[in-house]
Amino acid sequence: EDKVVQSPLSLVVHEGDTVTLNCSYEVTNFRSLLWYKQEKKAPTFLFMLTSSGIEKKSGRLSSILDKKELFSILNITATQTGDSAIYLCAVEAGANNLFFGTGTRLTVIP
Amino acid sequence: DVKVTQSSRYLVKRTGEKVFLECVQDMDHENMFWYRQDPGLGLRLIYFSYDVKMKEKGDIPEGYSVSREKKERFSLILESASTNQTSMYLCASSQAKAPSTEAFFGQGTRLTVV
Repeated sequence: EDKVVQSPLSLVVHEGDTVTLNCSYEVTNFRSLLWYKQEKKAPTFLFMLTSSGIEKKSGRLSSILDKKELFSILNITATQTGDSAIYLCAVEAGANNLFFGTGTRLTVIP
Repeated sequence: DVKVTQSSRYLVKRTGEKVFLECVQDMDHENMFWYRQDPGLGLRLIYFSYDVKMKEKGDIPEGYSVSREKKERFSLILESASTNQTSMYLCASSQAKAPSTEAFFGQGTRLTVV
């Protein structure tokens, strides 16, 4: 059965800390892995990863994919209170199938 | 173990059919959401509900309606399915409305309208 597992389920850190969020997956016919940030309603897109070993960066956020070990990590450096959100990992597989993890809730304390 | 369950993983319907997508959560959450996911467009919010019998339009409500008769169940209805509603539909629930609230997603329903 296709599945996407995120860890930890929740995380509380202090401003300035660096955090690493994990996403592992087991799917048939992997196409891409996506990271989203959800604050209020609809999650907002962060990264799409299709190739192993190529780091995607956007400001303090970065992500990398390992297709051999079937996982991805999302790093956030120098965290701020505005980074508090749910971070969702999703995997596209096969014919337009999209599998979501349940998310990691990050809370950044001032 | 918390759970959001969508009634079907895959559905194929004909144009013009009335389609019901069901979502049930067992966490006693107040808030439930329906999204659709399309390649290149990300997740888009269709409707959400903060209480029983209450509903609010999201970003793309046209062509859809919802029903929340019981707290644990939130149904998405396509009154007359069209091919442009072929998509992945995701249900989610959360405890509160505030930002950064823990949300749980169902596994999704892949709907194909032919």
